[in-house]
This record gives sequence, C-alpha cells and structure tokens, in this order.
Amino acid sequence: GAVVSQHPSRVICKSGTSVKIECRSLDFQATTMFWYRQFPKQSLMLMATSNEGSKATYEQGVEKDKFLINHASLTLSTLTVTSAHPEDSSFYICSAGGRKTQYFGPGTRLLVL
Amino acid sequence: DQQVKQNSPSLSVQEGRISILNCDYTNSMFDYFLWYKKYPAEGPTFLISISSIKDKNEDGRFTVFLNKSAKHLSLHIVPSQPGDSAVYFCAASEGSGYALNFGKGTSLLVTP
Repeated sequence: GAVVSQHPSRVICKSGTSVKIECRSLDFQATTMFWYRQFPKQSLMLMATSNEGSKATYEQGVEKDKFLINHASLTLSTLTVTSAHPEDSSFYICSAGGRKTQYFGPGTRLLVL
Repeated sequence: DQQVKQNSPSLSVQEGRISILNCDYTNSMFDYFLWYKKYPAEGPTFLISISSIKDKNEDGRFTVFLNKSAKHLSLHIVPSQPGDSAVYFCAASEGSGYALNFGKGTSLLVTP
C-alpha cells in the first residue's frame, strides 16, 4: 500500500520554541493532505486540510497563526507549531490519499516542557 | 460535537471467537465509512470500508455492516486472533471530501 512518512517521530522542546513536523507521501502525489491531533484516550481530531500550492483550511478552534501549514510540493506538507506551550503536547498525525482510502503517517509525539 | 461515536472504550474476546465493534453516527450526510486499526504511538492502518449504498462489505476475517436507518455500523472479526489486539477507530466522511471524522476508538484485547 501507499506509504506516508513523518519526521521527526518524537520531539521534546522547551516552551516558546517552534517545532516543524514533515509529512511526505513516498510513492504517490498528494494534492491534499490532512493534519490530525490525538490527545490520550481521545479520537483523532482533524486540525486542517493542507492544499498544495494554496492556503490550508483550518477547522474551527484551530489557530492558523499557531499551527502553520505549508504544502509546497505534491509530496510534502509541513506543520509548524509556533511558540509551543505545554498544552500543545500531543500526537500529531498526517494523512494523504483518496476518498476511499486515507493513508496515515506514523505520527509525531510532541512534548513541550 | 462528536459526530461519530464508539460507546465501548474496551472489549475483551477469547481467541477464536467473534469480536464485534460498534459505531454510531449522527450526521446523515456521511456516506462513506472506514475502520482503522491503531497501535500506540503509530498512525492508523486502514482495515475495511463501506459505502452508504451497501449494507455489508467483507474482506477475509473482517466484515463491516451498515444500518443507515439506525445510523449504526459494526465491524466483525472472526475468528479473533491475539494479533488483532489494538485500538479500532471508526471514521466517516461525506460528499466529495476526504477529511475523516473519527470516533474515540475501542480497545480490543484478544486473549489466548
């Protein structure tokens, strides 16, 4: 099946710093990618839709200035958590693919101290 | 507001028996439903899906049933194997969109 990778898999940072997470589709082109966040024992919550060559679409309640998304090519989307705070600590997952099958990356565990 | 609900946070089943995971949804516009399996600290892995024009889809040991009038779907795993132990997420999408609405997941434990 299609492969989606994420980097880094785990990151620990100090409060106030910015963290960039990369999501790559390895064997297919993705004009649209999605970013999800999962808190412990909770469902995956859609944060934003990343559109290649245009602005991302954010879900209600997600701060676009805090979670910067750049989809500069058909195989790469990046999520930058700016001025991270401890409450941003979570598991961030990206996905890409068609309507019938979304392929998910392995996720990035972010811990903000 | 949770549009996809998995009301059982956990389920324990003996090896060889049937596992039945349930999912309810509130948005009548959902027309495509998927089940994902997830291990801790990993991304979800696609299992099986069903379109709203069908009421059943089968793939090996996995069968998904859809009851549109009840806004309910279920995933049957038979026979259950210890390797099936994981968290199972139900997800739904509507129209031409690809974005998925997930339930909170059900943790399945299959005991030998």
